[in-house]
Amino acid sequence: GAVVSQHPSRVICKSGTSVKIECRSLDFQATTMFWYRQFPKKSLMLMATSNEGSKATYEQGVEKDKFLINHASLTLSTLTVTSAHPEDSSFYICSAPHRGGGLDQPQHFGDGTRLSIL
Amino acid sequence: QKEVEQNSGPLSVPEGAIASLNCTYSDRVSQSFFWYRQYSGKSPELIMSIYSNGDKEDGRFTAQLNKASQYVSLLIRDSQPSDSATYLCAVMFSSNTGKLIFGQGTTLQVKP
Repeated sequence: GAVVSQHPSRVICKSGTSVKIECRSLDFQATTMFWYRQFPKKSLMLMATSNEGSKATYEQGVEKDKFLINHASLTLSTLTVTSAHPEDSSFYICSAPHRGGGLDQPQHFGDGTRLSIL
Repeated sequence: QKEVEQNSGPLSVPEGAIASLNCTYSDRVSQSFFWYRQYSGKSPELIMSIYSNGDKEDGRFTAQLNKASQYVSLLIRDSQPSDSATYLCAVMFSSNTGKLIFGQGTTLQVKP
């Protein structure tokens, strides 16, 4: 069964809306989670590393004020896309290391959130 | 800049054949390598992880790693139509960060 749960699976909203996406680890604690973005027919691109109890680490070119990450607890990380615009439409996916293991462990992915901004 | 390269395909094989998927990476000190399968519209699912040179087998899947050549491959034996998907090679360049760099993926088509 799934070890990482992501919600919602799909969001369609108007330009200017802020959208929150939740990522939960099921039955294990994840002090670190990762957020990726995937455009159609492209590969996954790492956006940021979410750290429980500290600030997220963003990859080069990712606007931290645009994509707010909060690792609220040992099992929950949230990504908020603020004032979303059509160019933010994408497939957003979170991941966590296997069963809360070390960072060198395989990552398991949530089911993803397909965000469509009109 | 750290890079992971894959042939985007599509790679077409008949049912029952061996599918061979290849991946090269740019950083010689990389330690951890992963193969994920992604069906259209879905998120990636882990198939194999490999950390040491050589072969690692799991059912119909075999991952091969050659660190000297900076090359990792995935063999799928007895390919089935249900194996038709995009296969993503992911490299963890540093186990201290856990960050994965993905290749662009190879689309595999298994024809009945």
